[in-house]
Amino acid sequence: SQQGEEDPQALSIQEGENATMNCSYKTSINNLQWYRQNSGRGLVHLILIRSNEREKHSGRLRVTLDTSKKSSSLLITASRAADTASYFCATALLQTGTASKLTFGTGTRLQVTL
Amino acid sequence: EAQVTQNPRYLITVTGKKLTVTCSQNMNHEYMSWYRQDPGLGLRQIYYSMNVEVTDKGDVPEGYKVSRKEKRNFPLILESPSPNQTSLYFCASSFVSPNTGELFFGEGSRLTVL
Repeated sequence: SQQGEEDPQALSIQEGENATMNCSYKTSINNLQWYRQNSGRGLVHLILIRSNEREKHSGRLRVTLDTSKKSSSLLITASRAADTASYFCATALLQTGTASKLTFGTGTRLQVTL
Repeated sequence: EAQVTQNPRYLITVTGKKLTVTCSQNMNHEYMSWYRQDPGLGLRQIYYSMNVEVTDKGDVPEGYKVSRKEKRNFPLILESPSPNQTSLYFCASSFVSPNTGELFFGEGSRLTVL
């Protein structure tokens, strides 16, 4: 199974509401990253949080990391229709020999309606 | 403009006909990687390269080859494509490795093998 598992698989909200997506992982990490993908397009990096960090902000994005629970959350505040996309978490593992890989989850599909 | 460029973007081919998907980055990145994206499976790493002439297998390398003769180019070769290689392929690059920073993705190459 995937190292990162996002929850929920799909989320539908109205413009102006907040959207929260969660990610759980199995093994110790060096960092965790969130990416966005518009339908059929390439992934775009949103934010990177290191294993010794607990929270990071970037504009309307807030990411938290709880290494004791092996989980992360991505909060998008005051969502817009343009935020409609799939969101993926990706982990860079801490184990020896895995320094060259980001392992992606299966994503959360976010739909923001007017 | 900093970018990762893949070609072709769309390709329909037949079983057994060798093909190459090119990938080029103009950011002087050390690290490059290929992923495939399939519904319900997320992104899975095929091959990666830490530097020129250094390549290594990812999670799903069977049926693929790569080379890294120049820093900017990382072509993906399907010597004898089969229908199970029908997928959306992404090339990505990073300054050093995913352990230290983000991945920059190309726009994707949608391959159909009949």
